Amino acid sequence: GNSVTQMEGPVTLSEEAFLTINCTYTATGYPSLFWYVQYPGEGLQLLLKATKADDKGSNKGFEATYRKETTSFHLEKGSVQVSDSAVYFCALSSDRGSTLGRLYFGRGTQLTVWP
Amino acid sequence: DGGITQSPKYLFRKEGQNVTLSCEQNLNHDAMYWYRQDPGQGLRLIYYSQIVNDFQKGDIAEGYSVSREKKESFPLTVTSAQKNPTAFYLCASSIGSLAGYNEQFFGPGTRLTVL
Repeated sequence: GNSVTQMEGPVTLSEEAFLTINCTYTATGYPSLFWYVQYPGEGLQLLLKATKADDKGSNKGFEATYRKETTSFHLEKGSVQVSDSAVYFCALSSDRGSTLGRLYFGRGTQLTVWP
Repeated sequence: DGGITQSPKYLFRKEGQNVTLSCEQNLNHDAMYWYRQDPGQGLRLIYYSQIVNDFQKGDIAEGYSVSREKKESFPLTVTSAQKNPTAFYLCASSIGSLAGYNEQFFGPGTRLTVL
């Protein structure tokens, strides 16, 4: 089946620290992979995506590389800011069968950045 | 501006009453989705619709109902059969599964509190 496991939170960092949030997945076929971000009281916003193995998604200083050999899509940022404080969700999109089109989400990782 | 609107942002209801949450999109997307979000549990899929006049149950459909009479609209009814309806409800849409990967766009959410 399809599932996503991501690093348990909360994660607390000082401003300008390096961020890694781990994400691994289980899927049949060749899923697309996503990172979404949710600010307090709001819906989810797409942060970045990768649609095939070895693709690197990037946006706003965040990066993640689709690693098929390790079934991973870890989120990284070299220098976090207070404004990056939010909940981050890893997700995969099924590409086949009765689950075609569905997104499967991890449980989310709360990030808090202190000045 | 293209996007997804959900109304109202906050909703209060008495126990035993049915309540309908609105979701409208002007992105011309074929597929629409309803998720429920509870603290620490990520997003769980309630219902989804790949095309007008058709919808499928997600992972937690019991106690909920939907309709898809128009492409732009996908209202969710929380019935009195739903045992624990207090939650944050998110609506999303996507171009459709035939587009290949299935990036979803989210509305701002409705926080339902049952008293």
